[in-house]
Amino acid sequence: EAGVTQSPTHLIKTRGQQATLRCSPISGHTSVYWYQQALGLGLQFLLWYDEGEERNRGNFPPRFSGRQFPNYSSELNVNALELEDSALYLCASSFLPSTSWLAKNIQYFGAGTRLSVL
Amino acid sequence: QKEVEQNSGPLSVPEGAIASLNCTYSDRGSQSFFWYRQYSGKSPELIMSIYSNGDKEDGRFTAQLNKASQYVSLLIRDSQPSDSATYLCAGSFSGTYKYIFGTGTRLKVLA
Repeated sequence: EAGVTQSPTHLIKTRGQQATLRCSPISGHTSVYWYQQALGLGLQFLLWYDEGEERNRGNFPPRFSGRQFPNYSSELNVNALELEDSALYLCASSFLPSTSWLAKNIQYFGAGTRLSVL
Repeated sequence: QKEVEQNSGPLSVPEGAIASLNCTYSDRGSQSFFWYRQYSGKSPELIMSIYSNGDKEDGRFTAQLNKASQYVSLLIRDSQPSDSATYLCAGSFSGTYKYIFGTGTRLKVLA
C-alpha cells in the first residue's frame, strides 16, 4: 500500500513568486494536514483539511492557502513568496471516520517538499 | 497558546544505555501524545502514541504520560547507534486532531 506521497521533492522559486505543493494521502484517508519545518524550528501546523473542507488553520498569513479535492488529495499554495518561506513542507494524512482511536489520531507523514526561495 | 516543549539537546548516550527524552506541555485539555523519530532529511516516523496516564511499552520503547504534571517521556532501552535521530514530541489537543510539535531532541548514541 502506498504511503503519503508529495510532489515535487524540491522546488526552487524566487521572491514574490507563487509555489504549489501537492499531497496524495494514504488510500482511504480523508484528512490531510500540512506542516512547515523551517531550519532550526519544529514542525509548525499550517492547515487541516477533512472531507474537502478546511477544518483548522495555524498561525500563518493568508498567503498560505490550500484546498482538498474530491479524491482527498490536497494542494498547498504559497503566494508572494518570502525568503523565510524556505522550509521543508510536510503533509500527513489520517482516517477520521474510523472507530479506532489509533486510526483517528495517528498521522502518517510524506517525505516532504523542500521549498527554497531565492 | 498551547505549547509543547522539549530540550533540543544533543543528548548523548553510550550504546546499550537507556536514553530518556522528555517533553512538557502547557494545556491541561490535551488528549494524546505522540513520539516521532526523524532522521536527517527524512520524514517523521511514528514510534509511540499514548493517551492514558501511566506507561506504555513497545519493544525497546516505553512512553510515559503524567497528566497532573503535564509531562511526557520516551525511554529507549539498549540504545543503538541506529537510534541516533531527532525525536519529536507532539500533542493532540481537545477539539482538534492537529498536532502541536515540540522543537525536537537530537539523540546521539555513541558506539
